[in-house]
Amino acid sequence: DADVTQTPRNRITKTGKRIMLECSQTKGHDRMYWYRQDPGLGLQLIYYSFDVKDINKGEISDGYSVSRQAQAKFSLSLESAIPNQTALYFCATSDNRAGKDEQFFGPGTRLTVL
Amino acid sequence: AQKITQTQPGMFVQEKEAVTLDCTYDTSDPSYGLFWYKQPSSGEMIFLIYQGSYDQQNATEGRYSLNFQKARKSANLVISASQLGDSAMYFCAMRELGTGNQFYFGTGTSLTVIP
Repeated sequence: DADVTQTPRNRITKTGKRIMLECSQTKGHDRMYWYRQDPGLGLQLIYYSFDVKDINKGEISDGYSVSRQAQAKFSLSLESAIPNQTALYFCATSDNRAGKDEQFFGPGTRLTVL
Repeated sequence: AQKITQTQPGMFVQEKEAVTLDCTYDTSDPSYGLFWYKQPSSGEMIFLIYQGSYDQQNATEGRYSLNFQKARKSANLVISASQLGDSAMYFCAMRELGTGNQFYFGTGTSLTVIP
């Protein structure tokens, strides 16, 4: 079983709809992240959380919100989706106990906003 | 200013040859980590190698090595003995330990291994 799972894997929605992307992990990591990937732009950090009570904005948080329901769950919401939010979204986790803080990525969610 | 710069949008290498993918970074934080990830056409992100800013030796992981030149702020990835399965996008990333622990990714280099 995958250590970091994302649901749904693909989603097509319409402008103005509310969308929630979910991420679950079985790695026991405290740190979780949401990124979006656009062609030619690499990954951009949307939000990150270092524990259940900690939420931080990343580079491009406008238009997004998150919820850290438990150590293992971190969801990303688009309250009113717009076409330029069409992208590939990745959830990631990391564990800083080893000092390296290597990120482990989920398989990605491909979101299309029409 | 860009935190991570990858100046090679596309690279080609002959199978079994070595290839270097360039990465330069910008930070004033003395404590940071540098990472390389591989993204095949299937889309998943695969961790390859890590270098800490205080590490004295260049990191190596199998066929991957990181040419870390701290004064030049470069962290080039060297892949030796290229294989067809190495064809993918490669991303350089940095984590600044002292300033919010954010990760920054470069725009990536597309590597194609030619048989």
